[in-house]
Amino acid sequence: AQSVTQPDIHITVSEGASLELRCNYSYGATPYLFWYVQSPGQGLQLLLKYFSGDTLVQGIKGFEAEFKRSQSSFNLRKPSVHWSDAAEYFCAVGFTGFQKLVFGTGTRLLVSP
Amino acid sequence: DAGVTQSPTHLIKTRGQQVTLRCSPKSGHDTVSWYQQALGQGPQFIFQYYEEEERQRGNFPDRFSGHQFPNYSSELNVNALLLGDSALYLCASSLRSSGGETQYFGPGTRLLVL
Repeated sequence: AQSVTQPDIHITVSEGASLELRCNYSYGATPYLFWYVQSPGQGLQLLLKYFSGDTLVQGIKGFEAEFKRSQSSFNLRKPSVHWSDAAEYFCAVGFTGFQKLVFGTGTRLLVSP
Repeated sequence: DAGVTQSPTHLIKTRGQQVTLRCSPKSGHDTVSWYQQALGQGPQFIFQYYEEEERQRGNFPDRFSGHQFPNYSSELNVNALLLGDSALYLCASSLRSSGGETQYFGPGTRLLVL
């Protein structure tokens, strides 16, 4: 069965520092890969997605992610974190022919001053 | 361009009752998916509707049912509510014919079952 693992439940980063959130997936073929962000009490906002092609994808709010097939990973990065980035981040995978998304359990980002 | 909208925003019910949640997809989208997000968890896929038919279903009991209307809007119905049904219910829309699998989410309906 397909699965997504986000090994870090919480991460605290100082404002202005760089950020990397980890995501690993389990699937036999190359899936579609997504990162969503959720602020408290809100729905999910799409940050970026990977379908094919260049393995480094750019998203909104200065985020980027890199797909590494050999490691089955799709880690999210940002060079300089802002206090407004504090939220819950979800990695998700989708599959050819289906539009069901499988989500990880999320990583809560805390930003310290 | 309106995004995905959901109603109501919050709902309180008691065990055994029935509830209906509503979703209007993003303009131009024809597919609606529903997800349940329990506290502290990632969203779990409930089912997906396209052309007014349920196309895929996750691991949820028959108490969870849905409908899609000709204007692509959708309803999620939950019967015989249990305490464990308390969660944020998210609707997502997408455009099936595009071949892309990008889903856009609404703000959710928070359901509390007492």
